Amino acid sequence: AQSVTQLDSHVSVSEGTPVLLRCNYSSSYSPSLFWYVQHPNKGLQLLLKYTSAATLVKGINGFEAEFKKSETSFHLTKPSAHMSDAAEYFCVVPGFQKLVFGTGTRLLVSP
Amino acid sequence: DTAVSQTPKYLVTQMGNDKSIKCEQNLGHDTMYWYKQDSKKFLKIMFSYNNKELIINETVPNRFSPKSPDKAHLNLHINSLELGDSAVYFCASSQGGRLAGTSTDTQYFGPGTRLTVL
Repeated sequence: AQSVTQLDSHVSVSEGTPVLLRCNYSSSYSPSLFWYVQHPNKGLQLLLKYTSAATLVKGINGFEAEFKKSETSFHLTKPSAHMSDAAEYFCVVPGFQKLVFGTGTRLLVSP
Repeated sequence: DTAVSQTPKYLVTQMGNDKSIKCEQNLGHDTMYWYKQDSKKFLKIMFSYNNKELIINETVPNRFSPKSPDKAHLNLHINSLELGDSAVYFCASSQGGRLAGTSTDTQYFGPGTRLTVL
């Protein structure tokens, strides 16, 4: 079965500093992988997805993620955090007719 | 225009009651889903429907009964509510068909329904 592990439950950064949210996947083959974001009291929104094309994927709001097969990782990064980035971030792998979610990483951004 | 809508947004009820949550999508998608998010923010699939046909039932108690009157609607009815049913329930939809297998189609989520059972 495919699964993802988010290594940090919380990440705190200052506004204007880089963001790194870590995700490792487990799969017997190269999977597709997604990052979703959930702002407080809101639904989930797709940030970006990797589908075995380019390994560096650019998403919305300045986020990007790099698929590294050798490290089984799909970390999410952003060069400069903004207050509006404070949210819960989920690394996700698609299964048969469903999404399998990681446990989430809460990003806290301080002024 | 709301793509995936859910009603109600908040639902507070007593143990033992029966309640329903409605979901509608105006994206023309073939597949709809219900997910449950617990107090620790963990999200898990409950049901998946393709064109009104049940595809996935992830060991959900049979007190939960999804109903899809047409492919744009997937409602969730819950009988005999229990304290442990308190959660946020999200509806989602995607384009993929039942033979899509491992689907990379983007799923579009509704805003969620926060259910509190007292």
